Amino acid sequence: EAEVAQSPRYKITEKSQAVAFWCDPISGHATLYWYRQILGQGPELLVQFQDESVVDDSQLPKDRFSAERLKGVDSTLKIQPAELGDSAMYLCASSPGTGGTNEQFFGPGTRLTVL
Amino acid sequence: GIQVEQSPPDLILQEGANSTLRCNFSDSVNNLQWFHQNPWGQLINLFYIPSGTKQNGRLSATTVATERYSLLYISSSQTTDSGVYFCAISSGSARQLTFGSGTQLTVLP
Repeated sequence: EAEVAQSPRYKITEKSQAVAFWCDPISGHATLYWYRQILGQGPELLVQFQDESVVDDSQLPKDRFSAERLKGVDSTLKIQPAELGDSAMYLCASSPGTGGTNEQFFGPGTRLTVL
Repeated sequence: GIQVEQSPPDLILQEGANSTLRCNFSDSVNNLQWFHQNPWGQLINLFYIPSGTKQNGRLSATTVATERYSLLYISSSQTTDSGVYFCAISSGSARQLTFGSGTQLTVLP
C-alpha cells in the first residue's frame, strides 16, 4: 500500500543549528502539505504545495523556515536557526487532486527536539 | 476560519465498552476526516466523511453537514484503540485541514 515517507523520524539539535526534514508523498499526488504539531494540540498547516508551486505559506515563519518542492515530487523543510520553541512533530501529508475535497494521507512525522 | 470543537477531551473506558466521540464545526465543509494518532505520533486515516455514514469493522462515523456535526462510534473497544482521535475539516476555498483539539481515549484491560 502506498505511503507518505518522511525522514528522519527523530532529530535532536541545539538551538541556532540548522535542521532539514524530507518528505516523499504518495506517487501521483499533486498536493503536498507540511504541518506542525505541538505537544497536546492538533496539527497546524505550515505550507502547502500544488505540484512545485507554493499555494499557501501564510503560517510559515519565513525568517527562519523555508520549504521547497523543486520537481513537484519530494519536498524539504528547513529551519535555520532552530529555536527552543520549534520543538514539535513535523508532519507531511499528500492528497491526489487540486480540490479541497481530496482525502489527505499523513507520513509518520519527524519529532524535533531543540536543546 | 472554521472552528472545530471535539468532545469529550478525555475518555476512559473498560475494554469491551462502546463510545461516541463528537466533532462540531462552524461552517460548511468540503472535507471531513477522522484520524487516530498512535503512540508514535502517526496519524492513521479512519474515515473520509464530509457527509453520510460509513462503517469499518468496529468503527463507524456519521456526518450531518446541515447540522454541522460528526460522530465517531467505537464499539467493543480494545486496548489498542487507545490514543488521540482527531477530527479535521477543510471548508470553502481552503484546502488545508483544520484540526480539533482531539479526544484522548484510554481503554483499560
